Amino acid sequence: DAKTTQPPSMDCAEGRAANLPCNHSTISGNEYVYWYRQIHSQGPQYIIHGLKNNETNEMASLIITEDRKSSTLILPHATLRDTAVYYCIVTPGGSQGNLIFGKGTKLSVKP
Amino acid sequence: AAGVIQSPRHLIKEKRETATLKCYPIPRHDTVYWYQQGPGQDPQFLISFYEKMQSDKGSIPDRFSAQQFSDYHSELNMSSLELGDSALYFCASSLTKGWDEQFFGPGTRLTVL
Repeated sequence: DAKTTQPPSMDCAEGRAANLPCNHSTISGNEYVYWYRQIHSQGPQYIIHGLKNNETNEMASLIITEDRKSSTLILPHATLRDTAVYYCIVTPGGSQGNLIFGKGTKLSVKP
Repeated sequence: AAGVIQSPRHLIKEKRETATLKCYPIPRHDTVYWYQQGPGQDPQFLISFYEKMQSDKGSIPDRFSAQQFSDYHSELNMSSLELGDSALYFCASSLTKGWDEQFFGPGTRLTVL
């Protein structure tokens, strides 16, 4: 079973920041938080991952709370092409690596 | 940049037939994963291979089998197809097991009639 809880859907205005929350209250010390997204029936796409420190790359920022029980994915300037289902996945680093997808958040970016 | 290649992209089969899906990972990637995504569902992990050996197994039916070959490409063999096997099948590859991001292919859409 997925170890994460995400809102089923969110809207965001084009050009604004999209903040996608994820709860993972049972996360273990060796588990990482990964974010992937899936644009309509395409293969999922990796966005970012982190253990306990905040992370930033060219696509997004990941903010993990100090107790690691929740995190927020931030898309700083959402565009229409960011409309997708966003999955927050918790998985042990260095393990088999298979991803357990939960329900995800359907983000709709509107003009 | 090279991506994961899956073939065929679309496949139509009758019930009780067999199907073979192929996956060509990104060059130098030694780990391959297979996922199944039914209509309106989220992707479900099926099976993975690391260095040509089965690494982990998820909710893969006994009617399905898979292997990774010496050139690291992988094949998913599906027998006695059922209507419920209609789905998108994604293959993903990573540079090595566990630590790295997975790169997904475009998927094979299997329709069982």
